[in-house]
Amino acid sequence: SAVISQKPSRDICQRGTSLTIQCQVDSQVTMMFWYRQQPGQSLTLIATANQGSEATYESGFVIDKFPISRPNLTFSTLTVSNMSPEDSSIYLCSVEQGVGTQYFGPGTRLLVL
Amino acid sequence: GENVEQHPSTLSVQEGDSAVIKCTYSDSASNYFPWYKQELGKGPQLIIDIRSNVGEKKDQRIAVTLNKTAKHFSLHITETQPEDSAVYFCAASIGGSARQLTFGSGTQLTVLP
Repeated sequence: SAVISQKPSRDICQRGTSLTIQCQVDSQVTMMFWYRQQPGQSLTLIATANQGSEATYESGFVIDKFPISRPNLTFSTLTVSNMSPEDSSIYLCSVEQGVGTQYFGPGTRLLVL
Repeated sequence: GENVEQHPSTLSVQEGDSAVIKCTYSDSASNYFPWYKQELGKGPQLIIDIRSNVGEKKDQRIAVTLNKTAKHFSLHITETQPEDSAVYFCAASIGGSARQLTFGSGTQLTVLP
């Protein structure tokens, strides 16, 4: 399976600021996904990021709040913009290998004060 | 869209006993069902998956069963060990071009020594 890293692993941010999370994969993948996991909760898909096209956002998530870049087949970024305490969550990237099989990164733990 | 329900939310077993976690899904078009283990402070780890063309799959102490007619699938862990303690998530995917995973709410498994 792919080896996935995320930076930063955790951060504490002030409300109103923005944070960019990086996701790096050790092999080329077509599909990458970004998820949010609120404290003690399950995983919710934010968007699907394919190289060479605009990210596809799920209901309840908008590009202005969560802009995503996918410059190549091994890298993606998710920005959490104009943060509020409600954005405190774990943000996870995943990649697809094989048909439908997803592998996750270690996550970025974000606390907004 | 797809809806996945997972039970129980918490499960405590004695070391050496078996643990069973059950999930139901709503969309009969779903054809891929992975299970993830998430340890504290880590990202979800794929532990086993099953596709709709088989009814059971086993990997050492872990097995998954699928009942397409009833639209439910289960994770079975035998001879549990303390290191099996974690949160377990089931998920379902319709596959094809819509490969997004829909996750269950998670089960906190505690294996008591």
